[in-house]
Amino acid sequence: QLQLQESGPGLVKPSETLSLSCTVSGASISSGRFYWGWVRQPPGKGLEWIGSIRYSGSTYYNPSLKSRVTLSVDSSKNQFSLNLSSVAASDTAVYFCARHPGGTVVEFDFWGQGTLVTVSS
Amino acid sequence: QSALTQPASVSGSPGQSITISCTGTSSDIGSFNLVSWYQQHPGKAPELIIYEVTKRPSGISDHFSGSKSGNTASLTISGLRAEDEADYYCCSYAGESTVVFGGGTKLTVL
Repeated sequence: QLQLQESGPGLVKPSETLSLSCTVSGASISSGRFYWGWVRQPPGKGLEWIGSIRYSGSTYYNPSLKSRVTLSVDSSKNQFSLNLSSVAASDTAVYFCARHPGGTVVEFDFWGQGTLVTVSS
Repeated sequence: QSALTQPASVSGSPGQSITISCTGTSSDIGSFNLVSWYQQHPGKAPELIIYEVTKRPSGISDHFSGSKSGNTASLTISGLRAEDEADYYCCSYAGESTVVFGGGTKLTVL
């Protein structure tokens, strides 16, 4: 059974870089079949797509976040990662990693449990 | 890329049917049959319940159904159950390998 698990600091200072990883078990990222994505949810608010990446390195980003987001893949750890630079309080959210089935950036069929990241000094 | 528009809340009694709308534009919902819907219970991750407008993933009850007309997609839940009380989000492909979510709808089962 496919499982995704987010990890990273729960507290980040304003203007610094938020870094999260998603460890995948039950499937190999290096198979290259799927895109893997990040979605966030500010407390009490809706979902926002951040970006998605494939093992090949192909990446797609939400235009509103593109200038601050970098996604990467570490096949040796079967992980993909998110870096969000110059964070502000508005970046406080639960961050989810998820899989796109079917080899395209469309729906998400498996999700991690999410991890809360608070931006505060 | 603007968020899709959903009603903030809907409600219904057990056994009734409800419909949640999701309005986009000709650049997203109107151009692609790639709308998905997610159910999210408090403190949990979203769960895919509808994809490609009308399809249900394996294991998802057939009392969930989806449709689309023009720039608006809809999720219908028939025979409401207490466990259907949750937040529901629509999501659409928006071209150039991007997706956009709706603002979410809170369903209350009375």
